[in-house]
Amino acid sequence: DAGVIQSPRHEVTEMGQEVTLRCKPISGHNSLFWYRQTMMRGLELLIYFNNNVPIDDSGMPEDRFSAKMPNASFSTLKIQPSEPRDSAVYFCASSHGGYQETQYFGPGTRLLVL
Amino acid sequence: SQQGEEDPQALSIQEGENATMNCSYKTSINNLQWYRQNSGRGLVHLILIRSNEREKHSGRLRVTLDTSKKSSSLLITASRAADTASYFCATDARGGSEKLVFGKGTKLTVNP
Repeated sequence: DAGVIQSPRHEVTEMGQEVTLRCKPISGHNSLFWYRQTMMRGLELLIYFNNNVPIDDSGMPEDRFSAKMPNASFSTLKIQPSEPRDSAVYFCASSHGGYQETQYFGPGTRLLVL
Repeated sequence: SQQGEEDPQALSIQEGENATMNCSYKTSINNLQWYRQNSGRGLVHLILIRSNEREKHSGRLRVTLDTSKKSSSLLITASRAADTASYFCATDARGGSEKLVFGKGTKLTVNP
């Protein structure tokens, strides 16, 4: 199995630009998570999908952030417009059965907003 | 918040020594998980211990859970340079949103 795939691995953009991060979960997993990691705040859950439906988006910072999961094999996290404080590493993870099961993390997307 | 807090924040040891990391949390949990993160990589699951378990082993890893003290420890025996990484505990609150909340991690350096 290829594991969780994320793209791009690195993204440098200017403030105000739209950023789209992509994730392909492990085949057969029905839960998908987006996390953000910074030195100051650690690893924070942004949103959790189960069977392609958003279950918990309480961690999404503000309306500039949106996430979609159009099918079981693809999800996007979009930031529009981006701001320097959005600079972080964004991880996608998937699991067989929600929070209580082992989560498998992708390699992350390192985002720098100038 | 039921966020786990790891202790110490950083640990430096020599190869062959044992490394012990601790995690404390605030509310009752269903499970506690430990993850490892190598520099520049994603997190890798190490071990899951359920609230009704007290100890679990996996290879050179030993995890204990004391629900009365709301704490857990991760012991790595006979450490290797390849064990150098950050280690995170993650908890899911029983009766709450149950989302997995990660601590800030312990940065372990194993010197060859």
